[in-house]
Amino acid sequence: QKEVEQNSGPLSVPEGAIASLNCTYSDRGSQSFFWYRQYSGKSPELIMSIYSNGDKEDGRFTAQLNKASQYVSLLIRDSQPSDSATYLCAVWGGSYIPTFGRGTSLIVHP
Amino acid sequence: GAVVSQHPSWVICKSGTSVKIECRSLDFQATTMFWYRQFPKQSLMLMATSNEGSKATYEQGVEKDKFLINHASLTLSTLTVTSAHPEDSSFYICSARGFSGANVLTFGAGSRLTVL
Repeated sequence: QKEVEQNSGPLSVPEGAIASLNCTYSDRGSQSFFWYRQYSGKSPELIMSIYSNGDKEDGRFTAQLNKASQYVSLLIRDSQPSDSATYLCAVWGGSYIPTFGRGTSLIVHP
Repeated sequence: GAVVSQHPSWVICKSGTSVKIECRSLDFQATTMFWYRQFPKQSLMLMATSNEGSKATYEQGVEKDKFLINHASLTLSTLTVTSAHPEDSSFYICSARGFSGANVLTFGAGSRLTVL
């Protein structure tokens, strides 16, 4: 069974700090990796996608992928209270159905 | 960018009635649509996968006769909750995957169902 694991948190960081969110996956054939942000009571919204090993930066967000270790992470620099949300890791393998992690709750306190 | 419209955003119905939720891809053709359910403070739960023109594939434990899914066109999928009961009250979210080849999912805004 394909699994995507995330620490449920909550991860609490002070405003301005770097938040580091981690995700591991079991399917070595996975090709596409995504991070979604979900505010309470809202649907998920796409933040980042990454397909190749290494880092991908977009503004304050950096996604990191290590396929050998089956690990993907999301770094949020200069964290803001508005970043407080649940962050979902999604992985696509050989099938056409994505597997989502249970999400990590992030709290950025002033 | 890709936009998925979901309607209604919230609905209240009486026990025993049926409710239809629509999911439309507005600016792209969605080859595959996924329907999720999410209870408060819980993770997304995939209910079913629907491909245009074919029957939906339901996840284990999801009653296909209770949750009717129709994907009649490349831009529209519907979920009908039949004979709804209070335990069906939840947040239902659709998402769509387009033709681009990249496995990018775009989510609708979700529909909050309350069954009295």
